[in-house]
Amino acid sequence: DAGVIQSPRHEVTEMGQEVTLRCKPISGHDYLFWYRQTMMRGLELLIYFNNNVPIDDSGMPEDRFSAKMPNASFSTLKIQPSEPRDSAVYFCASRDRGSGANVLTFGAGSRLTVL
Amino acid sequence: SQQGEEDPQALSIQEGENATMNCSYKTSINNLQWYRQNSGRGLVHLILIRSNEREKHSGRLRVTLDTSKKSSSLLITASRAADTASYFCATDEASSYKLIFGSGTRLLVRP
Repeated sequence: DAGVIQSPRHEVTEMGQEVTLRCKPISGHDYLFWYRQTMMRGLELLIYFNNNVPIDDSGMPEDRFSAKMPNASFSTLKIQPSEPRDSAVYFCASRDRGSGANVLTFGAGSRLTVL
Repeated sequence: SQQGEEDPQALSIQEGENATMNCSYKTSINNLQWYRQNSGRGLVHLILIRSNEREKHSGRLRVTLDTSKKSSSLLITASRAADTASYFCATDEASSYKLIFGSGTRLLVRP
Protein backbone atom coordinates (compact mmCIF):
# COMPACT_ATOMS: atom_id res chain seq x y z
CA ASP A 1 0.00 0.00 0.00
CA ALA A 2 1.25 3.49 -0.86
CA GLY A 3 0.11 4.87 2.48
CA VAL A 4 -1.84 8.07 3.01
CA ILE A 5 -1.32 10.32 0.03
CA GLN A 6 -1.58 14.09 0.27
CA SER A 7 -1.39 16.73 -2.39
CA PRO A 8 0.01 19.20 -3.01
CA ARG A 9 3.16 18.78 -0.93
CA HIS A 10 3.83 22.49 -1.08
CA GLU A 11 1.51 25.38 -1.85
CA VAL A 12 2.34 29.05 -1.94
CA THR A 13 -0.55 31.40 -2.47
CA GLU A 14 -1.57 34.96 -1.87
CA MET A 15 -3.93 36.18 0.78
CA GLY A 16 -7.54 35.93 -0.32
CA GLN A 17 -7.04 33.00 -2.65
CA GLU A 18 -8.83 29.68 -2.28
CA VAL A 19 -6.73 26.71 -1.22
CA THR A 20 -7.73 23.08 -1.59
CA LEU A 21 -5.74 20.30 0.04
CA ARG A 22 -6.38 16.70 -0.88
CA CYS A 23 -6.03 13.39 0.86
CA LYS A 24 -6.34 9.75 -0.14
CA PRO A 25 -6.50 7.51 2.93
CA ILE A 26 -5.36 3.92 3.12
CA SER A 27 -7.90 1.57 1.64
CA GLY A 28 -10.06 -0.01 4.33
CA HIS A 29 -9.36 2.62 6.98
CA ASP A 30 -12.65 3.81 8.45
CA TYR A 31 -11.59 7.09 10.07
CA LEU A 32 -9.91 10.10 8.51
CA PHE A 33 -8.39 13.00 10.43
CA TRP A 34 -7.14 16.43 9.41
CA TYR A 35 -4.49 18.07 11.59
CA ARG A 36 -2.64 21.37 11.35
CA GLN A 37 0.89 21.83 12.68
CA THR A 38 2.54 25.15 13.52
CA MET A 39 5.46 26.07 15.72
CA MET A 40 3.25 28.16 17.97
CA ARG A 41 0.28 25.82 18.41
CA GLY A 42 1.74 22.40 17.73
CA LEU A 43 -0.51 19.71 16.25
CA GLU A 44 -4.16 20.68 16.26
CA LEU A 45 -7.00 18.35 15.32
CA LEU A 46 -9.25 20.17 12.88
CA ILE A 47 -11.88 17.59 11.97
CA TYR A 48 -12.38 13.86 11.68
CA PHE A 49 -14.66 11.59 9.68
CA ASN A 50 -16.02 8.10 10.25
CA ASN A 51 -17.22 6.23 7.18
CA ASN A 52 -17.19 9.52 5.24
CA VAL A 53 -19.38 11.33 7.78
CA PRO A 54 -17.94 14.29 9.73
CA ILE A 55 -18.02 13.42 13.42
CA ASP A 56 -16.32 16.35 15.12
CA ASP A 57 -15.37 19.62 13.48
CA SER A 58 -14.91 21.58 16.68
CA GLY A 59 -11.28 22.19 15.83
CA MET A 60 -11.99 23.97 12.57
CA PRO A 61 -10.77 27.52 13.19
CA GLU A 62 -13.55 29.42 11.49
CA ASP A 63 -16.00 29.40 8.64
CA ARG A 64 -13.25 29.95 6.12
CA PHE A 65 -12.33 26.31 6.62
CA SER A 66 -14.39 23.45 5.27
CA ALA A 67 -13.76 19.74 4.79
CA LYS A 68 -15.51 17.08 2.79
CA MET A 69 -15.23 13.37 2.26
CA PRO A 70 -17.36 12.45 -0.76
CA ASN A 71 -16.24 8.82 -0.70
CA ALA A 72 -14.04 6.43 1.24
CA SER A 73 -10.97 7.17 -0.85
CA PHE A 74 -10.90 10.95 -0.98
CA SER A 75 -11.12 13.97 1.29
CA THR A 76 -10.53 17.69 0.81
CA LEU A 77 -9.76 20.56 3.16
CA LYS A 78 -10.60 23.93 1.71
CA ILE A 79 -9.67 27.39 2.93
CA GLN A 80 -11.52 30.29 1.38
CA PRO A 81 -10.34 33.01 1.59
CA SER A 82 -6.87 32.17 2.84
CA GLU A 83 -4.97 34.41 5.27
CA PRO A 84 -1.28 34.55 6.25
CA ARG A 85 -2.08 33.03 9.67
CA ASP A 86 -3.27 29.89 7.87
CA SER A 87 0.34 29.15 6.94
CA ALA A 88 1.12 25.74 8.41
CA VAL A 89 1.67 22.11 7.56
CA TYR A 90 -1.62 20.27 7.15
CA PHE A 91 -1.64 16.55 7.78
CA CYS A 92 -4.17 13.95 6.86
CA ALA A 93 -4.22 10.66 8.78
CA SER A 94 -6.33 7.54 8.64
CA ARG A 95 -7.09 4.96 11.25
CA ASP A 96 -6.10 1.33 11.12
CA ARG A 97 -9.35 -0.54 11.68
CA GLY A 98 -7.47 -3.78 12.29
CA SER A 99 -5.39 -2.40 15.13
CA GLY A 100 -8.32 -2.37 17.53
CA ALA A 101 -7.06 0.94 18.81
CA ASN A 102 -6.85 4.48 17.62
CA VAL A 103 -3.53 4.13 15.77
CA LEU A 104 -3.12 6.64 12.96
CA THR A 105 -1.13 6.51 9.75
CA PHE A 106 -0.12 9.98 8.61
CA GLY A 107 0.49 11.38 5.20
CA ALA A 108 3.60 13.40 4.42
CA GLY A 109 1.73 16.67 4.84
CA SER A 110 0.94 19.71 2.74
CA ARG A 111 3.01 22.78 3.57
CA LEU A 112 0.93 25.89 2.97
CA THR A 113 2.38 29.37 2.77
CA VAL A 114 -0.01 32.29 2.45
CA LEU A 115 1.69 35.54 1.51
CA SER B 1 -6.29 22.32 22.93
CA GLN B 2 -3.39 20.03 23.73
CA GLN B 3 -4.00 17.11 26.02
CA GLY B 4 -0.38 16.17 26.56
CA GLU B 5 2.65 18.18 27.43
CA GLU B 6 6.11 16.82 26.85
CA ASP B 7 9.20 17.41 28.87
CA PRO B 8 11.88 18.34 28.02
CA GLN B 9 11.11 20.44 24.96
CA ALA B 10 14.54 19.62 23.57
CA LEU B 11 17.16 17.01 24.38
CA SER B 12 20.70 16.59 23.05
CA ILE B 13 22.65 13.44 23.78
CA GLN B 14 25.62 11.49 22.49
CA GLU B 15 25.14 8.41 20.36
CA GLY B 16 24.94 5.35 22.58
CA GLU B 17 23.36 7.17 25.51
CA ASN B 18 19.78 6.66 26.63
CA ALA B 19 17.10 9.28 26.01
CA THR B 20 14.12 9.75 28.29
CA MET B 21 11.11 11.87 27.41
CA ASN B 22 8.11 12.52 29.62
CA CYS B 23 4.49 13.27 28.87
CA SER B 24 1.73 14.53 31.12
CA TYR B 25 -1.95 14.61 30.25
CA LYS B 26 -5.13 15.94 31.80
CA THR B 27 -8.14 13.65 31.42
CA SER B 28 -9.01 9.97 31.54
CA ILE B 29 -7.70 8.03 28.58
CA ASN B 30 -8.20 4.73 26.80
CA ASN B 31 -4.58 4.46 25.78
CA LEU B 32 -1.47 6.52 25.19
CA GLN B 33 0.68 6.43 22.10
CA TRP B 34 4.06 7.73 21.08
CA TYR B 35 4.85 8.96 17.59
CA ARG B 36 8.05 10.10 15.91
CA GLN B 37 8.37 12.86 13.34
CA ASN B 38 11.46 13.29 11.24
CA SER B 39 12.08 16.75 9.86
CA GLY B 40 9.74 17.54 6.98
CA ARG B 41 7.83 14.29 7.31
CA GLY B 42 4.58 13.00 8.72
CA LEU B 43 4.27 11.35 12.10
CA VAL B 44 5.00 7.65 12.49
CA HIS B 45 3.45 5.49 15.19
CA LEU B 46 5.98 3.92 17.55
CA ILE B 47 4.18 2.23 20.40
CA LEU B 48 0.84 2.12 22.21
CA ILE B 49 0.21 1.42 25.87
CA ARG B 50 -3.27 0.78 27.19
CA SER B 51 -4.62 2.43 30.32
CA ASN B 52 -4.49 -0.88 32.24
CA GLU B 53 -0.83 -1.47 31.37
CA ARG B 54 2.11 -0.06 33.30
CA GLU B 55 5.04 -0.84 31.04
CA LYS B 56 5.63 -1.92 27.48
CA HIS B 57 8.70 -2.70 25.41
CA SER B 58 9.36 -2.65 21.69
CA GLY B 59 12.95 -3.13 20.56
CA ARG B 60 14.97 -0.25 22.03
CA LEU B 61 11.83 1.51 23.22
CA ARG B 62 10.39 1.29 26.72
CA VAL B 63 7.20 3.07 27.65
CA THR B 64 5.74 3.45 31.12
CA LEU B 65 2.34 4.73 32.12
CA ASP B 66 1.21 6.01 35.50
CA THR B 67 -2.50 6.75 35.33
CA SER B 68 -2.59 8.00 38.92
CA LYS B 69 -0.13 10.74 37.98
CA LYS B 70 -1.46 11.07 34.44
CA SER B 71 2.01 10.71 33.04
CA SER B 72 4.06 8.55 30.71
CA SER B 73 7.69 8.23 29.77
CA LEU B 74 9.45 7.03 26.65
CA LEU B 75 12.94 5.62 27.00
CA ILE B 76 15.12 5.05 23.95
CA THR B 77 18.11 2.93 24.83
CA ALA B 78 21.47 2.92 23.04
CA SER B 79 20.47 5.89 20.90
CA ARG B 80 21.62 6.28 17.30
CA ALA B 81 22.02 9.33 15.11
CA ALA B 82 19.01 8.07 13.14
CA ASP B 83 16.86 8.54 16.26
CA THR B 84 17.16 12.30 15.80
CA ALA B 85 13.56 13.46 15.45
CA SER B 86 10.66 14.99 17.36
CA TYR B 87 8.70 12.67 19.61
CA PHE B 88 5.06 13.20 20.51
CA CYS B 89 2.75 11.54 22.95
CA ALA B 90 -0.90 11.26 21.99
CA THR B 91 -3.98 10.38 23.98
CA ASP B 92 -7.53 9.63 23.02
CA GLU B 93 -10.37 10.92 25.11
CA ALA B 94 -12.23 8.11 26.81
CA SER B 95 -15.46 8.77 24.93
CA SER B 96 -14.24 9.50 21.43
CA TYR B 97 -11.71 8.71 18.74
CA LYS B 98 -10.14 12.16 18.95
CA LEU B 99 -6.40 11.67 19.21
CA ILE B 100 -4.79 14.69 20.85
CA PHE B 101 -1.06 15.29 20.60
CA GLY B 102 1.34 16.82 23.04
CA SER B 103 3.79 19.57 22.28
CA GLY B 104 6.65 17.22 21.47
CA THR B 105 10.28 16.71 22.44
CA ARG B 106 13.00 17.46 19.91
CA LEU B 107 15.74 14.88 20.25
CA LEU B 108 19.20 15.37 18.78
CA VAL B 109 21.57 12.43 18.88
CA ARG B 110 25.12 13.52 18.17
CA PRO B 111 27.37 11.03 16.34
